[in-house]
Amino acid sequence: IAGITQAPTSQILAAGRRMTLRCTQDMRHNAMYWYRQDLGLGLRLIHYSNTAGTTGKGEVPDGYSVSRANTDDFPLTLASAVPSQTSVYFCASSDSSGAQSEQFFGPGTRLTVL
Amino acid sequence: GQNIDQPTEMTATEGAIVQINCTYQTSGFNGLFWYQQHAGEAPTFLSYNVLDGLEEKGRFSSFLSRSKGYSYLLLKELQMKDSASYLCAAMDSNYQLIWGAGTKLIIKP
Repeated sequence: IAGITQAPTSQILAAGRRMTLRCTQDMRHNAMYWYRQDLGLGLRLIHYSNTAGTTGKGEVPDGYSVSRANTDDFPLTLASAVPSQTSVYFCASSDSSGAQSEQFFGPGTRLTVL
Repeated sequence: GQNIDQPTEMTATEGAIVQINCTYQTSGFNGLFWYQQHAGEAPTFLSYNVLDGLEEKGRFSSFLSRSKGYSYLLLKELQMKDSASYLCAAMDSNYQLIWGAGTKLIIKP
């Protein structure tokens, strides 16, 4: 693994189904983030984790949950998918959660909810 | 509320110079980031400014005026590979990034 990886690359999901998007980084970064990116809108923060064992809510957390059991992994779960959750999801990590901390992004997961 | 404004799309000619502007309003301020995003790919870091002034990094430069809530990204000697979206993001008092919608830059030969 080099950097930050996400799985799956893309997924078509029926509404009401449960789905977990996976994110793994090998940079030993403390902070990790989940964003969604929609056409015409900026990246919007869903959830974040400043360090293993802690998580926080971002701008658009409803319908999503996360866990951070260890430094490397930060899965995002949609408990019961709805069509408005159709989006491109990016996981990112940074060495710290402070200022000047560059975020490194995974390749993204394109999710379609029908 | 918190807000980032940048133009939706710009067109420039190969070899020329282009300036992409960004204005921001955030609760507190801990710096301004610029990222590049090619179509279908992840954003990649370009620059970070926290003090007023110009930061130069090769063909790319970034400027910040904290009193005006304003930044720009300057791209010189444009190449076709510079065709991408450029994302402006301001870090607020909680160290969270507030992102603009991005400026799609089209380079013509």
